[in-house]
Amino acid sequence: SQELEQSPQSLIVQEGKNLTINCTSSKTLYGLYWYKQKYGEGLIFLMMLQKGGEEKSHEKITAKLDEKKQQSSLHITASQPSHAGIYLCGADPSGSARQLTFGSGTQLTVLP
Amino acid sequence: DTAVSQTPKYLVTQMGNDKSIKCEQNLGHDTMYWYKQDSKKFLKIMFSYNNKELIINETVPNRFSPKSPDKAHLNLHINSLELGDSAVYFCASSQGSGGKFFGPGTRLTVL
Repeated sequence: SQELEQSPQSLIVQEGKNLTINCTSSKTLYGLYWYKQKYGEGLIFLMMLQKGGEEKSHEKITAKLDEKKQQSSLHITASQPSHAGIYLCGADPSGSARQLTFGSGTQLTVLP
Repeated sequence: DTAVSQTPKYLVTQMGNDKSIKCEQNLGHDTMYWYKQDSKKFLKIMFSYNNKELIINETVPNRFSPKSPDKAHLNLHINSLELGDSAVYFCASSQGSGGKFFGPGTRLTVL
């Protein structure tokens, strides 16, 4: 089965700082998804990457997938308290888009 | 408008009881899922339905039975609840290879 490792497990940054969260797979990724979860809320879909070398941005969040399609990073520029939450990477292990395996998550705290 | 909704949001019950969690999506998606999030925040897929047909059934005790009355609904029924069933259960939906949209989760506590 496909395993996803996220690092760091938790991150505390001062408001305005940049940060990066990494997601590494033991196998080639057919699709890599980034989600954000706040306590008591569902998972908020952020971005999906499918092609090697692909990079997508939404507001201050940028996600990249490496050429080998085994590693992805999520970068937040000028972090704000609203960015706080748990960030999860999810992978499509078979390319069927029917199933997702998730990493253990990164708990992000942004101090005002 | 809520895209994927789940009820109830919290469920506290005694061991041995039978309970159901309901999920509805108004996105017109053709695939719906149930995930279980354990205490370590891992999300594990339990079931997946495509157009009311079961397509993924992971290694889940047969006390768990999903039911999809139509494309927009996927309910989860759990018989003879056990302590280990305590977790947050997430419903999700997707269309084709698009991103999955998740519900707010149902926090189940079995006493």
